[in-house]
Amino acid sequence: EDQVTQSPEALRLQEGESSSLNCSYTVSGLRGLFWYRQDPGKGPEFLFTLYSAGEEKEKERLKATLTKKESFLHITAPKPEDSATYLCAVLGENTGKLIFGQGTTLQVKP
Amino acid sequence: ETGVTQTPRHLVMGMTNKKSLKCEQHLGHNAMYWYKQSAKKPLELMFVYNFKEQTENNSVPSRFSPECPNSSHLFLHLHTLQPEDSALYLCASSQDAKNIQYFGAGTRLSVL
Repeated sequence: EDQVTQSPEALRLQEGESSSLNCSYTVSGLRGLFWYRQDPGKGPEFLFTLYSAGEEKEKERLKATLTKKESFLHITAPKPEDSATYLCAVLGENTGKLIFGQGTTLQVKP
Repeated sequence: ETGVTQTPRHLVMGMTNKKSLKCEQHLGHNAMYWYKQSAKKPLELMFVYNFKEQTENNSVPSRFSPECPNSSHLFLHLHTLQPEDSALYLCASSQDAKNIQYFGAGTRLSVL
């Protein structure tokens, strides 16, 4: 059964304090791993897709990396506007369904 | 805006009411989805439509009835709901059933 576990559940950072969010997964044949950002009262906003181990993608202060068992979302020198819930999801070849983790809620204080 | 529009944004209904949620996508996609998001739980896939054909029903109770008249529109008809059905209902679309999904802002549903 495809599974996604995100940690930590919540993370509080000071502005400028870099950190990483973890997404551990088990899947039968990875078609893609997706990162989304969700603000309160809004739908998830697509950030990145990673397809194979060793792949990395960057967008502003965010960098996503992928291994065969987990993905990290690195946040460098975060700002208060980076505060949101970050969701990780995997698409497996067998199920063809997007399986989501519970998310990590990030709060960045000025 | 993501190109996926959901209405209404908020809905309060009694357990005996009948209501419908609407989703429209302007992205030219062929696949559309309904998800349920409850507090402290991962997004749960409810239904998948690919080229207007339902390809997934994730053991959803019959009080939820989806309808997809064309590739741009998706409805979720609700009747005799329970308080535990209160949640954020999200619609998404993708180019095909194995591609990046883009989400709408959701409908916040409260069942009294």
